Amino acid sequence: EIVMTQSPATLSVSPGERATLSCRASESVSSNLAWYQQKPGQAPRLLIYGASSRATGIPARFSGSGSGTEFTLTISSLQSEDFAVYYCQQYNNWPPWTFGQGTKVEVK
Amino acid sequence: QVQLVQSGSELKKPGASVKVSCKASGYIFTSYAINWVRQAPGQGLEWMGWINTNTGNPTSAQGFTGRFVFSLDKSVSTAYLQISSLKAADTAVYYCARGNIAAAGLFDYWGQGALVTVSS
Repeated sequence: EIVMTQSPATLSVSPGERATLSCRASESVSSNLAWYQQKPGQAPRLLIYGASSRATGIPARFSGSGSGTEFTLTISSLQSEDFAVYYCQQYNNWPPWTFGQGTKVEVK
Repeated sequence: QVQLVQSGSELKKPGASVKVSCKASGYIFTSYAINWVRQAPGQGLEWMGWINTNTGNPTSAQGFTGRFVFSLDKSVSTAYLQISSLKAADTAVYYCARGNIAAAGLFDYWGQGALVTVSS
């Protein structure tokens, strides 16, 4: 099973600032890496797939990078609606498809 | 537009069974897999398994065999998750999620979630 490790667990950022979230895979997942956003009481929403492609309707302030085992999600200028929990997920090797434990982005 | 609409919250006693539904619309149901993901209270996301909506063949992740059954009714574009012999540890929100046509493990649309609470 591929283990996904996200850091930090919590990121405190002021609105308008940049946020950088990390995700590491225990073995290579190529570029088969997705990022999801989850707000309280809501289902996750796909943000990024293929490590760097934005899903439909996702603002350009969200960007993803990396390949192999190291990945980054960057939110260039945090808006109020971006405070949420973010999960990375690998879809390269199954079973199972695996998620990271999440990074909570909170208001500083 | 693509939608996955799940059934409502359930309160069950230990030992009982529950069946959660996931009704799809806005796309060809049999062209995309349906996955199930569990989220325990305050915890992260855990993939439970998936069902091939064309063949009906289910695949469960380790830890979700036996008591967890994936099924579907193509005539109403609906997938189901049934959990039997419920335990308190099964208390969670259960999501269905569509597997992307090009990458089955990429979840491009999600249901709103169904909270299952197991308590005596």
